[in-house]
Amino acid sequence: ELKVEQNPLFLSMQEGKNYTIYCNYSTTSDRLYWYRQDPGKSLESLFVLLSNGAVKQEGRLMASLDTKARLSTLHITAAVHDLSATYFCAVARWEGGKLIFGQGTELSVKP
Amino acid sequence: DGGITQSPKYLFRKEGQNVTLSCEQNLNHDAMYWYRQDPGQGLRLIYYSQIVNDFQKGDIAEGYSVSREKKESFPLTVTSAQKNPTAFYLCASSIDQGTGQGRPTNYGYTFGSGTRLTVV
Repeated sequence: ELKVEQNPLFLSMQEGKNYTIYCNYSTTSDRLYWYRQDPGKSLESLFVLLSNGAVKQEGRLMASLDTKARLSTLHITAAVHDLSATYFCAVARWEGGKLIFGQGTELSVKP
Repeated sequence: DGGITQSPKYLFRKEGQNVTLSCEQNLNHDAMYWYRQDPGQGLRLIYYSQIVNDFQKGDIAEGYSVSREKKESFPLTVTSAQKNPTAFYLCASSIDQGTGQGRPTNYGYTFGSGTRLTVV
């Protein structure tokens, strides 16, 4: 059974600081996705990582994938308040195209 | 613009009542999914459908039912058998680029805006 675990689950950081969110998954998969969710809102796609060593960057966020370690990271550089949200990673299961989601990391960026 | 529309945004259910959540997409996506999100938790898969007239149970299907009579529509009924239905429900879709398995491709899922269901 594919399991996806994120850590930390809660992250309070100051503006301008750097931090990393980790996403571990338990079985082989070739697709990993990162999503952002604002309170009471739906999920917004951030990154799609399709191969080992893939790295993608958008603004202050950078995501990477290590399929051998079954690990993805979401790195936040010089955090700003607008990044406050809950971030989910999700891994595709081979059959049926189902995405299995991590628990989410609630990020709060304070001045 | 293409997208997924969920309605209603808020829904209140009385004890013993069945309610239906609507999900419509005009993206021409093959696969559609229903997820449930409880406060402070991740998303759990209720049902999914890869093609018209076919659907599969997800991890928490008990107390729910779906239909897929049209490619664009995937309504979810929360039945009276679902004892704790209060949650945020998200519908999603993805394109199947000929894999025949409904695997989300480079674009992953597109999500609707969600329906918040409360038992009163």
